[in-house]
Amino acid sequence: GIQVEQSPPDLILQEGANSTLRCNFSDSVNNLQWFHQNPWGQLINLFYIPSGTKQNGRLSATTVATERYSLLYISSSQTTDSGVYFCAVDSGGGADGLTFGKGTHLIIQP
Amino acid sequence: KAGVTQTPRYLIKTRGQQVTLSCSPISGHRSVSWYQQTPGQGLQFLFEYFSETQRNKGNFPGRFSGRQFSNSRSEMNVSTLELGDSALYLCASSSGTGNTDTQYFGPGTRLTVL
Repeated sequence: GIQVEQSPPDLILQEGANSTLRCNFSDSVNNLQWFHQNPWGQLINLFYIPSGTKQNGRLSATTVATERYSLLYISSSQTTDSGVYFCAVDSGGGADGLTFGKGTHLIIQP
Repeated sequence: KAGVTQTPRYLIKTRGQQVTLSCSPISGHRSVSWYQQTPGQGLQFLFEYFSETQRNKGNFPGRFSGRQFSNSRSEMNVSTLELGDSALYLCASSSGTGNTDTQYFGPGTRLTVL
């Protein structure tokens, strides 16, 4: 099956800093989503982005499908941005569900 | 629109028992998928139901089963619980009508097996 690697695994930043999270995947994808998992465990949708670039406030994402990677940018970080960020992909039209990376654990210090 | 809801939110069971978890998708969504999250294995796909039929299945033993009702609500059942079944169980809903389908997740059910 498709492999998903996220980097870095852990990131500690000061409030106000910018960050870039990376997701590499091993095959072409129909679906790529970025999620933020809150402290209670819920996965919050950030972006649906199998290709191209999207922006939502301080967050933006870019997927370069031909090179099999996606980037999530967080600008002017706030403490509420802390948590685990997951990239998830679907290469087979849903046959294997979403395949998740291991996540990037982000800590924003005040 | 109301989001995906899951009940119960927390559950404690003992080895050998069985458990049933419930998921109500976003109104109008016909696909419900289930995922297991553990510290060791991360997030893994269990199965997907669409229009009351299991459409896809992950690599889990037969003790894990599910069903979907005509109103798209879904239940998953785990029989003969093992300690390793302790996990956060998440369900996701989507329209289910295409390959490019955004998944929306519920808050999860945290199962502890003693």
